[in-house]
Amino acid sequence: SAVISQKPSRDICQRGTSLTIQCQVDSQVTMMFWYRQQPGQSLTLIATANQGSEATYESGFVIDKFPISRPNLTFSTLTVSNMSPEDSSIYLCSASPGSGGETQYFGPGTRLLVL
Amino acid sequence: QQQVKQSPQSLIVQKGGISIINCAYENTAFDYFPWYQQFPGKGPALLIAIRPDVSEKKEGRFTISFNKSAKQFSLHIMDSQPGDSATYFCAASIPGTYKYIFGTGTRLKVLA
Repeated sequence: SAVISQKPSRDICQRGTSLTIQCQVDSQVTMMFWYRQQPGQSLTLIATANQGSEATYESGFVIDKFPISRPNLTFSTLTVSNMSPEDSSIYLCSASPGSGGETQYFGPGTRLLVL
Repeated sequence: QQQVKQSPQSLIVQKGGISIINCAYENTAFDYFPWYQQFPGKGPALLIAIRPDVSEKKEGRFTISFNKSAKQFSLHIMDSQPGDSATYFCAASIPGTYKYIFGTGTRLKVLA
């Protein structure tokens, strides 16, 4: 398994600003993912964070809005850029050790409110 | 074809009863089916998972039943407890990508 921490746990931001969310895994993992979850809703995959290369974004999500970094096998960041109230959501990081196992382990989430 | 349909949306069960949540999928290429439990303010936690070559998997009070021909799978929570009150998500893994398609979630409330 993998233990995942996220920073910050919550934040309140002004529209037009950017917030960077950090995701730290306690062991090296093959895959890392970023999700968005509206309160009371399901999880929507934003992108796959690839180590050493550009992230792979899902339909409806673009790099300019959600730049992602993954400098090594245990760490990734997601930036929410030029925020608007519509970006208010819970952002979740997950990790999969890989090596034949598809299990994803999730962080506690970052609760973002944009005013 | 990439959807996973989950029902019911909400469920109320008496303490000691059986909670049953169902999921259905279309893409027969999905090769891994996990269930997650999420408490308010927390991230989803893996509960139990199954592969399509197995018809049933049991871990404690939690059982997954898998019907490959019907393209359906379900989570059974035996002897449901108030502490089981949470939102449950099924998911299906897209082979070769490690990516998941999540169901819409079921909010379970177990009455004391």
